[in-house]
Amino acid sequence: DGGITQSPKYLFRKEGQNVTLSCEQNLNHDAMYWYRQDPGQGLRLIYYSQIVNDFQKGDIAEGYSVSREKKESFPLTVTSAQKNPTAFYLCASSRSGTSGARGGQETQYFGPGTRLLVL
Amino acid sequence: GNSVTQMEGPVTLSEEAFLTINCTYTATGYPSLFWYVQYPGEGLQLLLKATKADDKGSNKGFEATYRKETTSFHLEKGSVQVSDSAVYFCALKRNTGTASKLTFGTGTRLQVTL
Repeated sequence: DGGITQSPKYLFRKEGQNVTLSCEQNLNHDAMYWYRQDPGQGLRLIYYSQIVNDFQKGDIAEGYSVSREKKESFPLTVTSAQKNPTAFYLCASSRSGTSGARGGQETQYFGPGTRLLVL
Repeated sequence: GNSVTQMEGPVTLSEEAFLTINCTYTATGYPSLFWYVQYPGEGLQLLLKATKADDKGSNKGFEATYRKETTSFHLEKGSVQVSDSAVYFCALKRNTGTASKLTFGTGTRLQVTL
């Protein structure tokens, strides 16, 4: 079965602690994305990666970091600098992340999400 | 800049009622448009999409037509079921430099009752 997996489903963070959220895909997609969802709001883009060993900041990157060492993996670290980390975090991937991609290449597919709570 | 505006929810309907969820957008160029659905506690699932003006996306009885003249992509379904209860997000694909990114609306919660 091809798809996107995120773990853990729930994650608790203590004050001043860094935590890492996992995202893995076996769809052979080039592009991967991290979004944050707050109650009553749409999704906001944190970071994205169009290709292995490359990534760019999204709209709300402060307090977060990522790496893209393997095509199938795009972990997100929520650092202690992120003062309001409580949210639902969603990972997505698409076959291509480049502009001009149309049809199936541009469609983003989402994982089940990780809910991060602060103790 | 690019933006997506959705009607405020929640939308409460009886089973078998007709559904419309409005979505309008502001964008430069010719964006692709999407509807995603989110069931409680889950990630987003692609419901349907349209990549150019006058295209109609359809899936599971839902439809939406890309109207460039009114910059709209309203979601419709002729007869809703209790299992359609979820949050629906309208989104557009924007191009920034070489990257392709999604801009989402705030979501509309649909609740269908017996």
